[in-house]
Amino acid sequence: EDKVVQSPLSLVVHEGDTVTLNCSYEVTNFRSLLWYKQEKKAPTFLFMLTSSGIEKKSGRLSSILDKKELSSILNITATQTGDSAIYLCAVEDGFGNEKLTFGTGTRLTIIP
Amino acid sequence: DGGITQSPKYLFRKEGQNVTLSCEQNLNHDAMYWYRQDPGQGLRLIYYSQIVNDFQKGDIAEGYSVSREKKESFPLTVTSAQKNPTAFYLCASKTRGPGETQYFGPGTRLLVL
Repeated sequence: EDKVVQSPLSLVVHEGDTVTLNCSYEVTNFRSLLWYKQEKKAPTFLFMLTSSGIEKKSGRLSSILDKKELSSILNITATQTGDSAIYLCAVEDGFGNEKLTFGTGTRLTIIP
Repeated sequence: DGGITQSPKYLFRKEGQNVTLSCEQNLNHDAMYWYRQDPGQGLRLIYYSQIVNDFQKGDIAEGYSVSREKKESFPLTVTSAQKNPTAFYLCASKTRGPGETQYFGPGTRLLVL
């Protein structure tokens, strides 16, 4: 059974701080790892990672995959109150069923 | 406007009642998914469908049923057999193939009276 573990479960920081969110996985046949941001309702897509060591970047957010360590990190620099959300990590297996297995998420709270 | 719509936004179920949650997409996506989200937990897959007239059980299918008669629509029925239905239900869809991501609807919150 595929498994995704995120840490920490929750994190409270001050505006302007830099945060690192962790995701580790156990997947029989790995295809990709995805990060989503969930504020109130629908998760919105952030990154898809398939290759180890290649950083994906979007503004103040960046993410990298380590296939050797079976893990990924999501970095957010110069945090803003709008970054407050649940960040979800998911992995897709390569068996063709295109299912995602999600972690429990990290709840990030930014204090002004 | 392209996207995924879910209705209703809130749904109340009485004991022993079946209720149906709607999910519609106009993105021309082949694959559609239903997830359940409980507080402190991630999304858990209920059912998914990769093509019209075909669907598979996810990790927590017991007490739920689906149909996929049209490409655009993937309704979820929460039956009376589901003993703990209170949760946030999310529908997603995607184009099939590697490198494609799932896009989510706004969700339906189901509460038991």
